[in-house]
Amino acid sequence: GENVEQHPSTLSVQEGDSAVIKCTYSDSASNYFPWYKQELGKRPQLIIDIRSNVGEKKDQRIAVTLNKTAKHFSLHITETQPEDSAVYFCAANDRGSTLGRLYFGRGTQLTVWP
Amino acid sequence: DAMVIQNPRYQVTQFGKPVTLSCSQTLNHNVMYWYQQKSSQAPKLLFHYYDKDFNNEADTPDNFQSRRPNTSFCFLDIRSPGLGDAAMYLCATGPRLSQETQYFGPGTRLLVL
Repeated sequence: GENVEQHPSTLSVQEGDSAVIKCTYSDSASNYFPWYKQELGKRPQLIIDIRSNVGEKKDQRIAVTLNKTAKHFSLHITETQPEDSAVYFCAANDRGSTLGRLYFGRGTQLTVWP
Repeated sequence: DAMVIQNPRYQVTQFGKPVTLSCSQTLNHNVMYWYQQKSSQAPKLLFHYYDKDFNNEADTPDNFQSRRPNTSFCFLDIRSPGLGDAAMYLCATGPRLSQETQYFGPGTRLLVL
């Protein structure tokens, strides 16, 4: 099955700086890569996703890049704000299953200091 | 406008006392998932349904069972909760296609005394 690795496990940045979280995946057949943000005690919420037919996608301060050859994808947050503080999970889908199974990374605790 | 609803939000049970967690959805999605999430860890898939077809993960303990009486509802039954089962239990739904997003409910936090 798919194996997703995520780095770093913790990340601290000053408000206004950029934050980058990186993930690698093992199954070259994976073609859907969502990113979820989970605040303490709350549900994971989709913040951005990318499909394998594009290399980059941007939504305001958030962007995701995908390198299919190297099998890695990254989340970029610019002009960070304290409310960006949360745990971020990357995931990759399982093309061997028709049920939308996702494999999650271990998560990155992002802390944005004011 | 909640799309995936979980009840209760917090559940306290005693060691060995059966407990049932519920999930409902208004998205009419074919697939429903149950995840277990422990502190500082990624969600771990327990099992999922495609319509009424049940799919168990190989490492899900027999202590965990699930029921899906209709498209909208899905239940997680823990037959004999142990201390190690204390966790956040997340329900999610998704359409059939493997490229589509999963929508998570708010979770039920289970405490086992």
